Amino acid sequence: EVQLVESGGALVQPGGSLRLSCAASGFTFSTYAMTWVRQAPGKGLEWVSAITGSGDTTFYADSMKGRFTISRDNSKNSLFLQMNNVRAEDTAIYYCARAVVPGSIDMSFDSWGQGTLVTVSS
Amino acid sequence: ETVLTQSPATLSLSPGERATLSCRASQSVSNYLAWYQQKPGQAPRLLIYDASKRATGIPARFSGSGSGTDFTLTISSLEPEDFAIYYCQQRVNWPPITFGQGTRLEIK
Repeated sequence: EVQLVESGGALVQPGGSLRLSCAASGFTFSTYAMTWVRQAPGKGLEWVSAITGSGDTTFYADSMKGRFTISRDNSKNSLFLQMNNVRAEDTAIYYCARAVVPGSIDMSFDSWGQGTLVTVSS
Repeated sequence: ETVLTQSPATLSLSPGERATLSCRASQSVSNYLAWYQQKPGQAPRLLIYDASKRATGIPARFSGSGSGTDFTLTISSLEPEDFAIYYCQQRVNWPPITFGQGTRLEIK
C-alpha cells in the first residue's frame, strides 16, 4: 500500500524557517516524481514545487522561488521542503503527492499524504 | 500561466441525480487535465487524469471528457459519499501547475 506521511509543520514567525518532510512507503520511491501542494485555510489547492525521481531537476511556483527548496533522499524514501523567509500568506496545510506515472514528470497526482499544517504568525 | 475556471461554484443536487461539472482553460491544455475530489478534513483524491482516464479504484459513475479548453466531469448517479469539493488541474503548461478554484457539490 502506498503511504505518504508528512511531518514538520509548526507555528513559525514571519521571516523564519521550517523544514517539512514526507516519508514514503509501499512503492519504489526513486522512480516517481514528487510534488508539494498547499491549501490555505478555507481556500483551494495551490501547487508549490516538484522534483524528478532522480532529484536532478526541480520546479517552483514563482511566489516560492528563492525562498523554498525541494529535495529528496532516495536512500531514505523521503521528500523535503525547506521553507525560508516565510510569510503570513504561507500559512496552509502542505501536502506531498506522487505523480501518476513512474519515470516521467506526468504531473497528475494519484497518492497524497494527510498534510502538515504550517502557521506563520508572530 | 494557464487559468482554470470551474463552474458552477456550487451545485445543489439530490442523491441519484446526474452531476455535470465544468472546467475551462484560458489556453489549450490538450487532454492533460485531471479531476480531484476533496472531502472536509481529507487530502484530495485523484478521480480522472488525462481528461478521461479513471484512476485506480474510482467507480464507473465518474467520467471525464473534453479536450483543448473545455472539460467536463460527470457523475452519472450521485451517491451520498459524492458530496464534496471537486478541483480540476492542468499539467501541460507548467510550471506552474494550476488548479481550478473548485466546485462545491452539495446535497439539495
